[in-house]
Amino acid sequence: QQQVKQSPQSLIVQKGGISIINCAYENTAFDYFPWYQQFPGKGPALLIAIRPDVSEKKEGRFTISFNKSAKQFSLHIMDSQPGDSATYFCAASPQGGSEKLVFGKGTKLTVNP
Amino acid sequence: DADVTQTPRNRITKTGKRIMLECSQTKGHDRMYWYRQDPGLGLRLIYYSFDVKDINKGEISDGYSVSRQAQAKFSLSLESAIPNQTALYFCATSNPPTDREQYFGPGTRLTVT
Repeated sequence: QQQVKQSPQSLIVQKGGISIINCAYENTAFDYFPWYQQFPGKGPALLIAIRPDVSEKKEGRFTISFNKSAKQFSLHIMDSQPGDSATYFCAASPQGGSEKLVFGKGTKLTVNP
Repeated sequence: DADVTQTPRNRITKTGKRIMLECSQTKGHDRMYWYRQDPGLGLRLIYYSFDVKDINKGEISDGYSVSRQAQAKFSLSLESAIPNQTALYFCATSNPPTDREQYFGPGTRLTVT
């Protein structure tokens, strides 16, 4: 059972454009929603994270939008750059207990020069 | 030096062989995790450990075993490797509740022929 659905599977954007990746979740016990960025040959690294008490969080060119009622959250990359080309994973974790992360299947982003 | 290290980085082995993947961390975190990454499937949790005496199965533990030798060391074993265990394997650590970020190692690429 996939608890976090991520789309699209791949995305091609021109330099300077906006990249948007969407995720939906089912488990209402989730209370922590991070995005991880992975470059080829490297392990995933935390990019930005949000909790459900806010609807948006921005860090530089990266913004998470969160819609609690729809159980959806998305990553927006403004002014996309070729260096942003990577695989992006959304994830979710329940409050308390195991703190296990459930990952989406990933989005391969290519930003063309 | 990297906070989370994995050895080996690459390994080719034959069907039926026993293999151990090792993970060490210098972050002082109690929680450690083993994930498997397959193209198009994202990251799936194999095992996780709250501390040396507390080890738990994840989403896909069949065919795998783990050992937590110390706070800093968490090993993953394949007792009898099979070709569909060919994948990227990642170790991670975290330190909730103050820090829910998971810190990933560089990964081990395992090929079972």
